[in-house]
Parts: sequence; structure tokens; C-alpha cells
Amino acid sequence: SQQGEEDPQALSIQEGENATMNCSYKTSINNLQWYRQNSGRGLVHLILIRSNEREKHSGRLRVTLDTSKKSSSLLITASRAADTASYFCATDKNTDKLIFGTGTRLQVFP
Amino acid sequence: EPEVTQTPSHQVTQMGQEVILRCVPISNHLYFYWYRQILGQKVEFLVSFYNNEISEKSEIFDDQFSVERPDGSNFTLKIRSTKLEDSAMYFCASARDRGAGNTIYFGEGSWLTVV
Repeated sequence: SQQGEEDPQALSIQEGENATMNCSYKTSINNLQWYRQNSGRGLVHLILIRSNEREKHSGRLRVTLDTSKKSSSLLITASRAADTASYFCATDKNTDKLIFGTGTRLQVFP
Repeated sequence: EPEVTQTPSHQVTQMGQEVILRCVPISNHLYFYWYRQILGQKVEFLVSFYNNEISEKSEIFDDQFSVERPDGSNFTLKIRSTKLEDSAMYFCASARDRGAGNTIYFGEGSWLTVV
């Protein structure tokens, strides 16, 4: 079955630095999405990348997808303290359901 | 910006009691979902719902669970006889178009604590 695994599990950086999080999955997918979750809060959709796309940008976010390696990365440039949150990848394949990864906890120090 | 709203934000219930979690999806959305997240674990899919019927459900979604769209705006998740292991954050979500390939918008969640 599909499974998303993010690494690192936790990442601590200083404000202004870039943060890179990776997601790997096991089976083929149609789409991969990244979500953000502040502690104890809901999931906020960040970006969706389709299996025929290789890179997408949205503001300070850059997502890449390598279907041959079954992996994706999320880059947050010029990080801010407000970016502190957990980040999850989620994949889907011909179904209604999203399969979420284990998440990366990002801590950005001011 | 339209959002998915959930109530209650937190509920504590005795084991064996029935619980109903309520959700108001975004108004022009047609596809509705429930997910859950046990503390410290992954977000897990429970069920998807379209055109007044379940379109897909996971192994977690057993006979103790049910969903309903009682009117034009609400979408509910009922747990008939809660167990300790049902303690989790339950997220409602909705989407305008079919399939997880379209953006799915999540609510803030309902914390359920079973004691």
C-alpha cells in the first residue's frame, strides 16, 4: 500500500534560512499534496503537484516531484518564525482518499 | 475565504457513549470526508461521501461509525459506542470536484477524548 514518509522527522533552523523537507512513497500516484499543521490545529493545504509535473512554485514554497524515485521535496525559502509547524505530504491514486505521511516538525527560531 | 467549520472543538465522553461530530463544509462543495489523527500519529482516512452515499471507506470505519448529511449544510460523523482507542482529532474536509487530486479543504478538527 502507499505510504508517505517524510524526512527529516524534525528540523530546526534560524529565521532567514531555507528549509527542505522530503517525502517518499512506495507505489505510483496521481497527485501529491503538501499540508501544514500548526500544533493542535487543522490541516492547511499548501500546494498540489500532479504526477506529470516536476516542479511547482507558490510564493516562498517550491515543490519538486520525482516519480522515478517516488519522492517529493518541499522547500521553504527565507523561513520565518511563523513557518513553525508540522508539514505533511499526502498522495492519492485513483481513489478519493489521501494517504498522509508521518510529517516533518519544523521549528524556526527568530 | 470560505472554510470548513467543525463543532465541537473538544468533547470528552464516557466509554460506550454515542458521539456526533458536526461539520459544515464549504457551501458549493459536493464531496465530503472524515479523517482522524490519533495523538502523535499520521492523519488517517475514514470515509468519503458524495451524492448522499458513502463512496469509499477505510478499515477503521466499521459498523460503529456512520455518516449523514441531514440537511443541505451539515455533515455528521456518529460513533455509536465509543472506545478508548477512538480518542483522536477528527477532521472534516470537503472538495468541490471529485477525487483527491483536487484541493481538499480541512476544518480545524474536533478533539475527542474517551475516558
